[in-house]
Amino acid sequence: AQTVTQSQPEMSVQEAETVTLSCTYDTSESDYYLFWYKQPPSRQMILVIRQEAYKQQNATENRFSVNFQKAAKSFSLKISDSQLGDAAMYFCAYRSLLTGANSKLTFGKGITLSVRP
Amino acid sequence: ETGVTQSPTHLIKTRGQQVTLRCSSQSGHNTVSWYQQALGQGPQFIFQYYREEENGRGNFPPRFSGLQFPNYSSELNVNALELDDSALYLCASSSSTPTNTGELFFGEGSRLTVL
Repeated sequence: AQTVTQSQPEMSVQEAETVTLSCTYDTSESDYYLFWYKQPPSRQMILVIRQEAYKQQNATENRFSVNFQKAAKSFSLKISDSQLGDAAMYFCAYRSLLTGANSKLTFGKGITLSVRP
Repeated sequence: ETGVTQSPTHLIKTRGQQVTLRCSSQSGHNTVSWYQQALGQGPQFIFQYYREEENGRGNFPPRFSGLQFPNYSSELNVNALELDDSALYLCASSSSTPTNTGELFFGEGSRLTVL
């Protein structure tokens, strides 16, 4: 079974600064998706960024980028130019790509990010 | 494009009661999955429905059951409620087509409190 570990329960960043959120995972599979989801107080999970394991290039979405280290099973999220609206809980998640596998996501415990004005 | 909607948003039940939570999937999505999120924790997979059949289940007892309807909407039923069932229940939809990008689209959840 796959596991996702987010060892930092909380982090804080100054507005306009850069912060990196860590995530490690464990799997015996070679093809899979990794995601970072954001959950603000409104509760709705919002996709931040997606990475396909077969792609060596790290995914980037505007101010958000990942450092995907497949051999180390590490998937960190970097938020540049942090904004007050980035304050939320962030979850790292894994999805298998095995044929016939359902769309189950395995989540980490999450990290609460606060942004100081 | 209509997003994932869930109802009710909040509800309070007592131990032993039964509850039904509802979810309408995003337009064009044929797969619905349910997650339980305890306070301060990550969501835990309950089960998934595709073409009205359950095709994956997490480590939850049989008193957690579900349905998917021909329009792809879904229900989560929990019988004999226990205090530990208090949580946010999230519904997520996705598409099983070859162009699927792999992501799930979530609703805002139903907050269940069991007293």
